Amino acid sequence: GDSVTQMEGPVTLSEEAFLTINCTYTATGYPSLFWYVQYPGEGLQLLLKATKADDKGSNKGFEATYRKETTSFHLEKGSVQVSDSAVYFCALRGAGTASKLTFGTGTRLQVTL
Amino acid sequence: GAVVSQHPSWVICKSGTSVKIECRSLDFQATTMFWYRQFPKQSLMLMATSNEGSKATYEQGVEKDKFLINHASLTLSTLTVTSAHPEDSSFYICSAEPTAGGARETQYFGPGTRLLVL
Repeated sequence: GDSVTQMEGPVTLSEEAFLTINCTYTATGYPSLFWYVQYPGEGLQLLLKATKADDKGSNKGFEATYRKETTSFHLEKGSVQVSDSAVYFCALRGAGTASKLTFGTGTRLQVTL
Repeated sequence: GAVVSQHPSWVICKSGTSVKIECRSLDFQATTMFWYRQFPKQSLMLMATSNEGSKATYEQGVEKDKFLINHASLTLSTLTVTSAHPEDSSFYICSAEPTAGGARETQYFGPGTRLLVL
């Protein structure tokens, strides 16, 4: 079945550091890929998405590129801020699977001054 | 746009009572809504898929008689935890998928409801 693997956290960075959170997936066909962010005590917010190979999703300085050849969708940001501290979830929606999302385990990011 | 609300945001109840959680899509219609459960520091576990006007589809291992789902309109789904016990304490999150338009593939999540059963 479909699965998503994320790098384990927590990830601790200093403000303005470069961020990469790895995400790889297993799915049949051509899934859509998503990154969601969860701030403390809140629900998930869609951060970005990509629906086909080589698409790049971007939002709020975050980027991720849908790499079919490596089945990856790594999240990157050039300069993190303290306000980016949250848990980041990679997810996929398989082709023709009635909208079900499969989530990774989440990666906690802590940004310090 | 694409706002989903949940009510209540948190609830404390006694063991054996029932608790209803509402999930509303505020500015779009959603034929399909989803209910998730999240344990501390863990990922989301899909409990059930709720379709407007029909019975919900439950994931394996989720008791349908304990977690009653009703999706009576295109903007409202409810989850009722019946005869709640302490092990039902968790963070419950709903999401909604727009019925039409370019955002159809995207699920929008509510802020979650924290349930504590004493």
